Amino acid sequence: EAGVAQSPRYKIIEKRQSVAFWCNPISGHATLYWYQQILGQGPKLLIQFQNNGVVDDSQLPKDRFSAERLKGVDSTLKIQPAKLEDSAVYLCASSRPAHPAYEQYFGPGTRLTVT
Amino acid sequence: GENVEQHPSTLSVQEGDSAVIKCTYSDSASNYFPWYKQELGKGPQLIIDIRSNVGEKKDQRIAVTLNKTAKHFSLHITETQPEDSAVYFCAARGTGTASKLTFGTGTRLQVTL
Repeated sequence: EAGVAQSPRYKIIEKRQSVAFWCNPISGHATLYWYQQILGQGPKLLIQFQNNGVVDDSQLPKDRFSAERLKGVDSTLKIQPAKLEDSAVYLCASSRPAHPAYEQYFGPGTRLTVT
Repeated sequence: GENVEQHPSTLSVQEGDSAVIKCTYSDSASNYFPWYKQELGKGPQLIIDIRSNVGEKKDQRIAVTLNKTAKHFSLHITETQPEDSAVYFCAARGTGTASKLTFGTGTRLQVTL
């Protein structure tokens, strides 16, 4: 079974620029998550999708971050404009829809550096 | 919301020794507690998990214990090997379909020869 795929793996941008990350979840996983992991910290949930609907985006900075999951499969996370404090690893994870829908499987992440 | 504390932040053990990482959580309604291992440049990998109706779970050299009364859970790794060196994260998940995983701050485990 293929794992969660993410691209790009690394991205360096200047502040105020925009950037987009892509995620392809494990086949059959209806739930998709985007996390932000700042160096030295645990992952923090930004947004959770169930199929193509948003379940939780309470910690997403909506003035600059946006995410979509068209057709309930792939997802993109966008930052516009980027700030220095957005430097982090952005992780995508997915899980099965059925109970227990707890096990989350993570992709390798995208390391973003904002200069 | 849920708050998860994890200790120690770093842990160094000799090969063959045991390692123990401890976490506490604040939300008594939390019912699922996974542990993740993260190697350099990789995403977190689920290594073991425990649900609130179980007190202990073991998988070969790793085990997790849960004390719901005290609201703490621990990861035990026996007969440590160099490949166990990584950052380990605990997490807790509350009830409800939208309940999210809250992660601890991580423990950097180094297994020395």
